[in-house]
Amino acid sequence: AQKITQTQPGMFVQEKEAVTLDCTYDTSDPSYGLFWYKQPSSGEMIFLIYQGSYDQQNATEGRYSLNFQKARKSANLVISASQLGDSAMYFCAMREDSSASKIIFGSGTRLSIRP
Amino acid sequence: GAVVSQHPSWVICKSGTSVKIECRSLDFQATTMFWYRQFPKQSLMLMATSNEGSKATYEQGVEKDKFLINHASLTLSTLTVTSAHPEDSSFYICSAMAGAPQETQYFGPGTRLLVL
Repeated sequence: AQKITQTQPGMFVQEKEAVTLDCTYDTSDPSYGLFWYKQPSSGEMIFLIYQGSYDQQNATEGRYSLNFQKARKSANLVISASQLGDSAMYFCAMREDSSASKIIFGSGTRLSIRP
Repeated sequence: GAVVSQHPSWVICKSGTSVKIECRSLDFQATTMFWYRQFPKQSLMLMATSNEGSKATYEQGVEKDKFLINHASLTLSTLTVTSAHPEDSSFYICSAMAGAPQETQYFGPGTRLLVL
C-alpha cells in the first residue's frame, strides 16, 4: 500500500493566487514527521516545511503552511500569494520514527504558475 | 540551513566502467546519510542508509555489490556504481542529517549519471 499519496499529478494556478497541494499518508506509527520539499528543474530538493505528529499547531514558514488533519491523515501544503518562481515539482514525504529516519516520498505534484 | 554538496554534478561514462559520487556535509557532522535514485518524471526512491563507521543498510531490491556505499567520516559518504550499464542512468541524490531521528534531512544538489 502507498504510504504517501499525492493525487494531483499536475496543477496550474494563476500568479498571486493561493494553492493547496494535497497529501495523504498511511502509518500505524504514533510518532512520525511529515515534510514538503520543492524540486525545481535543476533537480535540487529544497526543504519547505515540517510537521511532527505530536505538534498541536499547524506548521507555517513564510508563504508556506501545512494543513495537518491528523484524524484524516492528511498534510496538505498551502502556498499563499503564488509567484512564478513557485513553479516546480512538490513532494510530500513522511518519516516514521520507528524506521531509522528513512523518508518516504510521494509521487509528486507538478505546479505551474501562470503569469 | 545546512549545506550538502555532491560531486560530480554530471557524469557521462561508458558501459562497464565504475563511477564514484561523493556526498559531503559542509557545515555540520552527518551521523547518517541517505542515497536516493530518481528516474525521469518519477519520485525519489531510497537506495540505502549510510551510518558513519558501519555498513550501509540497503533497501529491498537494491544490489549492494553494484552500489557500493562508504561512509568513512562524519562529513563524507560515497556511492560507487560498479560496472555501470545504461539502465543505471539516473539522477542520484544524497541527503544528510545531523543527529536525532527528528532532525531534518538536508539534500545535496544531485548527480546526473548517463551511461552510454
